[in-house]
Amino acid sequence: DIQLTQSPSFLSASVGDRVTITCRASQAISSYFAWYQQKPGKAPKLLIYAASTLQSGVPSRFSGSGSGTEFTLTISSLQPEDFATYYCQQLNSYPLTFGGGTKVEIK
Amino acid sequence: EVQLVESGGGLVQPGGSLRLSCVASGFIFSDHYMDWFRQAPGKGLEWVGRSRDKANSYTTEYAASVKGRFTISRDDSKNSVHLQMNSLNSEDTAVYFCARSEYRSAWIVFDIWGQGTLVTVSS
Repeated sequence: DIQLTQSPSFLSASVGDRVTITCRASQAISSYFAWYQQKPGKAPKLLIYAASTLQSGVPSRFSGSGSGTEFTLTISSLQPEDFATYYCQQLNSYPLTFGGGTKVEIK
Repeated sequence: EVQLVESGGGLVQPGGSLRLSCVASGFIFSDHYMDWFRQAPGKGLEWVGRSRDKANSYTTEYAASVKGRFTISRDDSKNSVHLQMNSLNSEDTAVYFCARSEYRSAWIVFDIWGQGTLVTVSS
């Protein structure tokens, strides 16, 4: 199975901050990679797919980069509605796997 | 409106069975693979399994943790996909989500998710 190591697991930030979350895959997965946002009691929401393609309707302050084994999600200017947990996912091979999550909280 | 609605969750005793359903609306259900995911209380996301479409003979894939115990089926005439769960144990306690799988060029995306249904395995 492909393991995804997501860091940090917890992040405290202020509105307006630039935030970066990293995900490392245990083997190369090309760009078969996605990022999700999840708020308490809600389903995950797709933010980024193909490592860097913004899902329709997602604000442009979200961006993704990377290929192979190293991937990054950046929020250019954190907004109040962005406080949530973020997960990475690999779609290269079965079983599809997720990172452990990054909880972004208000400083 | 494009949406997925799960149902069938509840409290079940260890060793018991439960059948979850996911009904789709607002899109051509038969064109899509459908996947199930789960999230144990306070934990991260876990992929459970996949149902492919008719063009791919409705074949399925499963996570090792559920293979042989869980079965995914679908009824395109009713726009629904089901997760039959047998031999349940406490580690199966989770919120279960269904999600639409869509192909965009070479990329698979899970763009539509249901609201989730809670399964609790306890005596």
